Amino acid sequence: DVQLSESGGGLIQSGGSLRLSCTASGFTFSNKPMSWVRQAAGKGPEWVSTISGSGAGTYYADSVRGRFTISRDNSKNALYLQMNSLRAEDTAVYYCARDIAEGADNTGSYVFDRWGQGALVTVSS
Amino acid sequence: DIVMTQSPDSLAVSLGERATINCKSSQSVLHNFNNKNYLAWYQQKPGQPPKLLLYWASTRESGVPDRFSGSGSGTDFTLTISTLQAEDVAVYYCQQHYTAPRTFGQGTKVEIK
Repeated sequence: DVQLSESGGGLIQSGGSLRLSCTASGFTFSNKPMSWVRQAAGKGPEWVSTISGSGAGTYYADSVRGRFTISRDNSKNALYLQMNSLRAEDTAVYYCARDIAEGADNTGSYVFDRWGQGALVTVSS
Repeated sequence: DIVMTQSPDSLAVSLGERATINCKSSQSVLHNFNNKNYLAWYQQKPGQPPKLLLYWASTRESGVPDRFSGSGSGTDFTLTISTLQAEDVAVYYCQQHYTAPRTFGQGTKVEIK
């Protein structure tokens, strides 16, 4: 059974840093592009970042480029999001999400067929 | 960025009746090279993550009941729930997976009348 579980969320002051982790099981992790998608309260989801299965390709939304870094450790079936220079508008539930595409070098279809339960990040100003 | 606009924001439908949700993209999400519309639909229940229902506008995800169907092309799309069940109460989102940044609609809340 596919499972995704996020951790590392919390309350942080504006300008601070936080690292989210997502552990995966039930599928061949290295064969799947993975993404972070966030959702502010009462809003629709917002794509944040994607990483290819091998980790060679990374992609970011303009709103986080230069502040956030996505990475993965395929030996640990883990996905990460390092968030620096956090702002109040980064406050949201952050989900790790699996792409339906397959292949270590696939850059992703951006269709998300499995999601974690989410990690709440609250940035206080 | 492609803006996705859903209508209505909410709707109340009687059990067993049809529910229809519309989604309009600010530019076409139809890929000429494969003639596919890069449009997905998700269902989100309170306190849960989104769940994929459909992609390429009308391809149902494995395990999704066939009362959920998608239609449309170019910029105008529809999600139809043919006979509403109690467990279908949720917020539904459309998403374009055509071009960066992939964007979602604001959501449509479906309730029981």
